[in-house]
Amino acid sequence: DQQVKQNSPSLSVQEGRISILNCDYTNSMFDYFLWYKKYPAEGPTFLISISSIKDKNEDGRFTVFLNKSAKHLSLHIVPSQPGDSAVYFCAVPPPNSGGSNYKLTFGKGTLLTVNP
Amino acid sequence: DAGVIQSPRHEVTEMGQEVTLRCKPISGHDYLFWYRQTMMRGLELLIYFNNNVPIDDSGMPEDRFSAKMPNASFSTLKIQPSEPRDSAVYFCASSYAGVNQPQHFGDGTRLSIL
Repeated sequence: DQQVKQNSPSLSVQEGRISILNCDYTNSMFDYFLWYKKYPAEGPTFLISISSIKDKNEDGRFTVFLNKSAKHLSLHIVPSQPGDSAVYFCAVPPPNSGGSNYKLTFGKGTLLTVNP
Repeated sequence: DAGVIQSPRHEVTEMGQEVTLRCKPISGHDYLFWYRQTMMRGLELLIYFNNNVPIDDSGMPEDRFSAKMPNASFSTLKIQPSEPRDSAVYFCASSYAGVNQPQHFGDGTRLSIL
């Protein structure tokens, strides 16, 4: 059973528009959430994170929203650029980890394609 | 700054052979992680070390898999004997200790067992 689910294997958007990537989780005790980005033939790279005490965290074009009641988080990219084309993973450490991100569980990922 | 370095980048070998994957973490990082990525199971944590000591190896699939970290700058993941179902991309990552420290990944080793 997956603790984090990314139900959309792929997403295609036009350059300049908004990309919204979604992730659902099962355990309400998760207290920290991360997003990683992965290009082909490279390892994942950390993108942005959010603590469960917040409902939004923003870093430039990237914003993560957390809806605890729905056990749902989303990553918004505005405006989307062709260089954003990659696989995006959400990840969580064990419940009540307090931000100690050692034993991460990853979703299966969503392939984002941004068309010029 | 050099990132996490993995070798080899690609490995093709026959079933039954011993396979050794290597990783050099980022200097100064306290934690080292080994992951496996497959189509079926996605990205899974196999084992992680803190200050060269294995902390959690609950993700290691079988006794055929072993990992060592003889010093702060080197780790190996060994499969002996290898089987076709071990074919996957294996990633090494490292991080500092502490709250909210992200893991930094190497570019992976693509392993194919024939």
